[in-house]
Amino acid sequence: GAGVSQTPSNKVTEKGKYVELRCDPISGHTALYWYRQSLGQGPEFLIYFQGTGAADDSGLPNDRFFAVRPEGSVSTLKIQRTERGDSAVYLCASSISGSRRETQYFGPGTRLLVL
Amino acid sequence: QKEVEQDPGPLSVPEGAIVSLNCTYSNSAFQYFMWYRQYSRKGPELLMYTYSSGNKEDGRFTAQVDKSSKYISLFIRDSQPSDSATYLCAIQAGNQFYFGTGTSLTVIP
Repeated sequence: GAGVSQTPSNKVTEKGKYVELRCDPISGHTALYWYRQSLGQGPEFLIYFQGTGAADDSGLPNDRFFAVRPEGSVSTLKIQRTERGDSAVYLCASSISGSRRETQYFGPGTRLLVL
Repeated sequence: QKEVEQDPGPLSVPEGAIVSLNCTYSNSAFQYFMWYRQYSRKGPELLMYTYSSGNKEDGRFTAQVDKSSKYISLFIRDSQPSDSATYLCAIQAGNQFYFGTGTSLTVIP
C-alpha cells in the first residue's frame, strides 16, 4: 500500500514569509509525528498527534510553528515569519496507534530553504 | 547533556567487513531502543527495535543493549555496498523519540 507522503518535496521561500507543509499518513494510522532534521543531525521531535488532537507539542521551538490535523488524517505544519534558521528537512511519520514498540513509518520529507 | 550521543563518523569499510555502530544515552530510565537506516534524500527506515538488555538478531544485523553502561550497538555482518547509508540510533521516551546525529557508513566494493 501507499506509504507516508509529504508535499511539497522542496520549498524555497524568503525570510518572513509563511509556509505550509503537508503530510498524508498511511491510511488508518491514528498516530502522526512531525520532526525537523537539520544538516548532519538526527530528526528532532516537534509534535505528536493522536487522532485530531495534539497529544504532545512540547518540541515546537516557538509560537511561529503550529500544526493541525482537523480530520485525524492529513496534517499540516505551518510556519509563520520564517527565519533562515528554519531551513531543514521536515519529516512526518505515522504509526498505527502510537503504542510502544510500534513501527513509525517516515515520509521522504520536505526540504525547506529560507533565503 | 543530550539524551543520546552518536559518533557521526564517517565510517568507510570494505565489502564483507563487520561494522560496529554505537550510541550512548543519558537516562537509565529509557527502555525502548531503535536503529534506523536513512538513505540520502529519504526518510529513516526502522531496522531494529529492542527493549531489553542483550542481543537481538535479524539476518545480518544484531542490536545490542547494555543498560548498565547505557550503551547501544548495531553490528552489521558481511557488509554490502547497499548498506551504505546513515544509521541513526533512537530512544523512545513516552510519546517522544530522541535520535542520535547518525553515523554515515560507506561500504566499498
